[in-house]
Amino acid sequence: GQNIDQPTEMTATEGAIVQINCTYQTSGFNGLFWYQQHAGEAPTFLSYNVLDGLEEKGRFSSFLSRSKGYSYLLLKELQMKDSASYLCAVNRGSTLGRLYFGRGTQLTVWP
Amino acid sequence: KAGVTQTPRYLIKTRGQQVTLSCSPISGHRSVSWYQQTPGQGLQFLFEYFSETQRNKGNFPGRFSGRQFSNSRSEMNVSTLELGDSALYLCASWVRDNEQFFGPGTRLTVL
Repeated sequence: GQNIDQPTEMTATEGAIVQINCTYQTSGFNGLFWYQQHAGEAPTFLSYNVLDGLEEKGRFSSFLSRSKGYSYLLLKELQMKDSASYLCAVNRGSTLGRLYFGRGTQLTVWP
Repeated sequence: KAGVTQTPRYLIKTRGQQVTLSCSPISGHRSVSWYQQTPGQGLQFLFEYFSETQRNKGNFPGRFSGRQFSNSRSEMNVSTLELGDSALYLCASWVRDNEQFFGPGTRLTVL
């Protein structure tokens, strides 16, 4: 399989910081996406990393290390509305059309 | 700008029947992908289309087929439905190399 691994569940409290890790097989790697999915809704785009390093977008940051096959999504100043599933997806093709998804990390934020 | 739209949103069918799902991408987007999401398997790639041509196909049986029209709208068809086809079917479209937008999905239940 594609062996995209991420933790199944995580919990945190409001205002805290949480890091969601994702590891993947490096062969054919051509970019990594993070998506947020609330229950019963479609995934929404959070970030895209194709080069090593940290990309910051407001409260959310995403990091990539291509040589290690590793990425993380960092969520700061957690809010209740951040409770959702976070999906890591790897692109291995020449187009963006075929993404390989991890099973998702269900994050619960407690008051 | 309207997002990706999918119809119908909910569908109930019985085993052996066939079903057609529709996806209208964001205006100006010519690339469309389809995914199946189930609790057991997560998000799995079905097809990718660009300018009415199928560019990639996932590892699904021949009962699953699709097509794209000249206006970029796409349809997927599942024939001889099985219980295991019950899932959320998601369509995504994109135009730039760093963002992919998902529609709300069609929830298919096979009885």
